[in-house]
Amino acid sequence: EVQLVESGGGLVQPGRSLRLSCAASGFSFDDYAMHWVRQAPGKGLEWVSGISWNSGRMGYAESVKGRFTISRDNAKKSLYLQMNSLRAEDTALYYCAITYYYDSSGYLGYFDYWGQGTLVTVSS
Amino acid sequence: DIQMTQSPSSLSASVGDRVTITCRASQSINNYLNWYQQKPEKAPKLLIYAAYNLQSGVPSRFSGSGSGTDFTLTISSLQPEDFATYYCQQSYSTPPTFGQGTKVEIK
Repeated sequence: EVQLVESGGGLVQPGRSLRLSCAASGFSFDDYAMHWVRQAPGKGLEWVSGISWNSGRMGYAESVKGRFTISRDNAKKSLYLQMNSLRAEDTALYYCAITYYYDSSGYLGYFDYWGQGTLVTVSS
Repeated sequence: DIQMTQSPSSLSASVGDRVTITCRASQSINNYLNWYQQKPEKAPKLLIYAAYNLQSGVPSRFSGSGSGTDFTLTISSLQPEDFATYYCQQSYSTPPTFGQGTKVEIK
């Protein structure tokens, strides 16, 4: 059974940093591209970042480019999101998601499975 | 970025009704269109990928159609467990983008 368990969320002041983690199990981690997708309270879904299976390619939404960094550790079957210079508008539930069939970008595709999310609240 | 527009934003329907949700892309995305279901306080779940392919385990009352810029998700006979919010998503070009969602409520 595919399991994706996010952690690391919490309340943080504007301008500070936070690191999210996603622990994966139940599938061949190396075969999948990985993503972070967020959902602000009461709002829709927004893709944040994606990474190829071997970390060779990464992509970011314009809203987080230069502030967030995605990474993965295939040996630990884990995905990470380093979030710096956090803003109030980054407040959201952050989901980890996986993609098996990706295109030449190395990560673009549909999201086969999602974790339950970890909540990030940016407020003073 | 490719903009995805869903209609309607919400709808009320009864158990047994046929429900249709539309998704329009701001440019042609061939058939790179996917549908997700999200229930309250739950993670999204993939229903349909590449416009019309049913994800494993998804009931056959769900179906998808369309290509180019216009796509449709149809629920042939609405069941109590189908009351949820539905999102379309394009995987034609990065960044992947979602529609704003369609909330299906009980009439």
